[in-house]
Amino acid sequence: KQEVTQIPAALSVPEGENLVLNCSFTDSAIYNLQWFRQDPGKGLTSLLLIQSSQREQTSGRLNASLDKSSGRSTLYIAASQPGDSATYLCAGRGAQKLVFGQGTRLTINP
Amino acid sequence: EAQVTQNPRYLITVTGKKLTVTCSQNMNHEYMSWYRQDPGLGLRQIYYSMNVEVTDKGDVPEGYKVSRKEKRNFPLILESPSPNQTSLYFCASRTSRFTANYGYTFGSGTRLTVV
Repeated sequence: KQEVTQIPAALSVPEGENLVLNCSFTDSAIYNLQWFRQDPGKGLTSLLLIQSSQREQTSGRLNASLDKSSGRSTLYIAASQPGDSATYLCAGRGAQKLVFGQGTRLTINP
Repeated sequence: EAQVTQNPRYLITVTGKKLTVTCSQNMNHEYMSWYRQDPGLGLRQIYYSMNVEVTDKGDVPEGYKVSRKEKRNFPLILESPSPNQTSLYFCASRTSRFTANYGYTFGSGTRLTVV
């Protein structure tokens, strides 16, 4: 059974810092891994998708990496801004569903 | 615009009163799914559908029903809601082609409160 863990559960940093969010998964048989952003009480916005055959994906200030052999993915946010404050969720795609981590609640302080 | 549309966004109802949450997608996706999100428990799959007339249980199907009569629609039915079904619900869809290349698209969520 796939289990996805995100560390830390919460993170607070000053504006401008580069930061890394971590995601680990127990079953390496995933099709892809998706990172989402969720604002309080809102929907899920897809940020990046990494195929199982890929090592990383980039979009603007975001860079996500995937290491299937070690069961790990990281989301790197460069030059953080207050508008980046949200909960970040990673999810591994199995045959019939996404398995989500519990999320990292990120606060960027001006 | 490619999207998954859920209605209503907010719903307060009483125990036992049947309700339906609608979900519609305009991307011609074969696969659709429902999730619920609860504090401390994260997102859990309720039901999914691989295509029209094909549905199956997820991890927490008790108390829910679904149907897939049309490709674009996948309603979630609570025939006798109970307070433990108070939650934030999400509908999602994806294509079944090129498995690894495409991700899920989620709706904006439905906040359900059962009193």
